[in-house]
Amino acid sequence: AQKVTQAQTEISVVEKEDVTLDCVYETRDTTYYLFWYKQPPSGELVFLIRRNSFDEQNEISGRYSWNFQKSTSSFNFTITASQVVDSAVYFCALSDPRSNDYKLSFGAGTTVTVRA
Amino acid sequence: EPEVTQTPSHQVTQMGQEVILRCVPISNHLYFYWYRQILGQKVEFLVSFYNNEISEKSEIFDDQFSVERPDGSNFTLKIRSTKLEDSAMYFCARGTSQDYYEQYFGPGTRLTVT
Repeated sequence: AQKVTQAQTEISVVEKEDVTLDCVYETRDTTYYLFWYKQPPSGELVFLIRRNSFDEQNEISGRYSWNFQKSTSSFNFTITASQVVDSAVYFCALSDPRSNDYKLSFGAGTTVTVRA
Repeated sequence: EPEVTQTPSHQVTQMGQEVILRCVPISNHLYFYWYRQILGQKVEFLVSFYNNEISEKSEIFDDQFSVERPDGSNFTLKIRSTKLEDSAMYFCARGTSQDYYEQYFGPGTRLTVT
């Protein structure tokens, strides 16, 4: 069985602060994919990043960066110099490509509030 | 980024009524998915659909639910007799033939059962 844990339910920061969202996953498979999605107040799910289990390089995209640590089964997400528009719920998800359909297992989400 | 559209954006229905939620993906999509998100909770997998057949379904996807692609383009989720606990946001997602494990979601349909 696969499981994704986002232990932080809510994080509140002041604009320009950095915020790191934790994601810990469980899977028995050696091949898998990890994702982060953003859900702004409008409700849609916005794809942010995909990382496969063979690629442990950290990635940076603008103010976003991701730290994949296979040894600790973690895939953490950092927003640098946060802005009010970053306020959203952020979901980490896991996909097993050896299942028939690559369905996603989501964590419970972390609500980020950035105050001006 | 290819888009998925969903209609309606919001549906209010009475308990016991049938509802049909629609998803319109771009034609080269092979994999389709329905997910559900009860207010304030996590997103949960309902069903996947590949090559016009159900590929996998979750425990939530009981006999009240069905999916089909009636005209080769629209992808529908039907709930036969809605219950109060079916109130949720329903998301359609798609995977492409090139990158089927990367799922892009539609804007969702908010279903309210009264």
